[in-house]
Amino acid sequence: DGGITQSPKYLFRKEGQNVTLSCEQNLNHDAMYWYRQDPGQGLRLIYYSQIVNDFQKGDIAEGYSVSREKKESFPLTVTSAQKNPTAFYLCASSIGPRGRNEQYFGPGTRLTVT
Amino acid sequence: AQKVTQAQTEISVVEKEDVTLDCVYETRDTTYYLFWYKQPPSGELVFLIRRNSFDEQNEISGRYSWNFQKSTSSFNFTITASQVVDSAVYFCALTANFGNEKLTFGTGTRLTIIP
Repeated sequence: DGGITQSPKYLFRKEGQNVTLSCEQNLNHDAMYWYRQDPGQGLRLIYYSQIVNDFQKGDIAEGYSVSREKKESFPLTVTSAQKNPTAFYLCASSIGPRGRNEQYFGPGTRLTVT
Repeated sequence: AQKVTQAQTEISVVEKEDVTLDCVYETRDTTYYLFWYKQPPSGELVFLIRRNSFDEQNEISGRYSWNFQKSTSSFNFTITASQVVDSAVYFCALTANFGNEKLTFGTGTRLTIIP
């Protein structure tokens, strides 16, 4: 089945450690996105990539980094510079590099940093 | 700047009742797209509908219907004869400002259907 996979579902890290969240899609979509969701809030865009080897900062990119070496993969690294990393992280993709296209989401990774 | 407001934080209704989720948006662009997404307890957002600013025709899909009114900048979502499976958080979202086409989400409405 086509879709987006994120692993792991739950992730625990100690403060000061970098951690990488995986996102893979087999939908042959050009664009991929990373969002952060905090309780009672909407989704906030961290980074997005419209094509391979290219990505742009979203609204809350500080403390995060990404890469897009393959069309199928868009990993997100949460660095120790991120002041409040505990959150639910969602990856998404869309068929074209336009916000007007509907986005398809993965199941998310819940990151807890203590 | 663009903004989406979902004033209803939480709604509870008894099963089989109808329920309407409100969405009010702000944008200076004349061309824009509106979306509704459903987030069940599993966490994954599910796309429900997309509507562009030039199409004000209301849409019905089974028990779901959407009312788009540009005059009031609203894009409301109605569930008819609600079911327990409809329990989820529902997000309204907007994209405009083409060239910088980011999706702006509202804060969501948590809908609980009481059996």
